[in-house]
Amino acid sequence: QSVLTQPPSASGTPGQRVTISCSGSSSNIGSNTVNWYQQLPGTAPKLLIYSDDQRPSGVPDRFSDSKSGTSASLAISGLQSEDEADYYCAAWDDSLNGHYVFGTGTKVTVL
Amino acid sequence: EVQLEQSGAELKKPGESLKISCKSSEYSFNNYWIGWVRQMPGKGLEWMGIIYPDDSDTRYSPSFQGQVTISADKSISTAYLQWSSLKASDTAMYYCMRHIGYCSSATCSGPFDYWGQGTLVTVSS
Repeated sequence: QSVLTQPPSASGTPGQRVTISCSGSSSNIGSNTVNWYQQLPGTAPKLLIYSDDQRPSGVPDRFSDSKSGTSASLAISGLQSEDEADYYCAAWDDSLNGHYVFGTGTKVTVL
Repeated sequence: EVQLEQSGAELKKPGESLKISCKSSEYSFNNYWIGWVRQMPGKGLEWMGIIYPDDSDTRYSPSFQGQVTISADKSISTAYLQWSSLKASDTAMYYCMRHIGYCSSATCSGPFDYWGQGTLVTVSS
């Protein structure tokens, strides 16, 4: 059962900016860094952003994140067709004896 | 390059046991936590638990505590996820993943940076 809430879907045309929200609580987003994962259709998830806007090698800087209080958001600027995927936020949760929690997931569609 | 290679798809009957594997290479297996995630058909990601191969310290999500067993064999750089009695509701894709960061006795920090390709488990009579 997810404790991080995301909108089920988001969409945009190529070149547009799309943002995805992630709502949590003081024990997860409020006290730990947020990580974002991208899951392309039929593939394993991939780490996209972690630890306050850090991107693994190869992830374009079109992807960025921000956090305020118990909420976070992922922004995709200059949307491209290859960005069509499911996106998940995640964080460690101190109230659950150090367990990791994922968001409900957001499907991004490129129109 | 770091790789996590998972065992192949499984088709099992309810009540059967199963152990799937995740073999790591190109990094020091003993010193990184390995986690497992479930993804039921058409659904999101659910964190199941993690293990530290060096001392087998294991932590489970409350949702999976008692339902599965996570283990590791340092000698062959392989982590495992096993069930003693499968149910139809265990049908899902299972992923292993490497944790980077720090874990204390109470909590952890840091993301999961490398993932296996997934093992599809189908439980059907």
